Amino acid sequence: RKEVEQDPGPFNVPEGATVAFNCTYSNSASQSFFWYRQDCRKEPKLLMSVYSSGNEDGRFTAQLNRASQYISLLIRDSKLSDSATYLCVAENNAGNMLTFGGGTRLMVKP
Amino acid sequence: SAVISQKPSRDICQRGTSLTIQCQVDSQVTMMFWYRQQPGQSLTLIATANQGSEATYESGFVIDKFPISRPNLTFSTLTVSNMSPEDSSIYLCSVEGQGPTDTQYFGPGTRLTVL
Repeated sequence: RKEVEQDPGPFNVPEGATVAFNCTYSNSASQSFFWYRQDCRKEPKLLMSVYSSGNEDGRFTAQLNRASQYISLLIRDSKLSDSATYLCVAENNAGNMLTFGGGTRLMVKP
Repeated sequence: SAVISQKPSRDICQRGTSLTIQCQVDSQVTMMFWYRQQPGQSLTLIATANQGSEATYESGFVIDKFPISRPNLTFSTLTVSNMSPEDSSIYLCSVEGQGPTDTQYFGPGTRLTVL
């Protein structure tokens, strides 16, 4: 079993749709969690951190459920420019190692 | 976040040869990391490079195959030795962010193709 698991997709959605990605992690000692975005042939870029209380950044909402070891990302009012691969990431207790999920590919269409 | 550059951005190499990838950061950082991203896959950590000490390698990666240098707090190199087509991949360096909750930031990557 992978340490961080994601549905690879692709998720094909029309512009303006709301889409949700889920991620599960197996290491209960993981302390911090993040969503990264990776465009084709580009490096991953930090999208947002994920907190137990949930956090929102514009159209993006991230949620962490430690009891279920589950992380989510919600994108509202999808834009064409949201098309990318979204990587779920867990950081270890020492804060010096990231474990990446396989990524979920999103394609937003006109 | 730090500005990270990598050289070369891409290369095509013959099997059996070696390639050294450079990673330069515009500020001093304690920890630098090297990742591999094989085609269609996510990122896998190769090793952590701290200045003044030997790199720490993850399971499945060894120093003879991926020697790393970390001569100062702004620079690191990763060498892919005795390459085979299976080494074709994107190699990325990353650094820790400076804030208390910052995570890692990535360089643009080096796209390696081994023939």
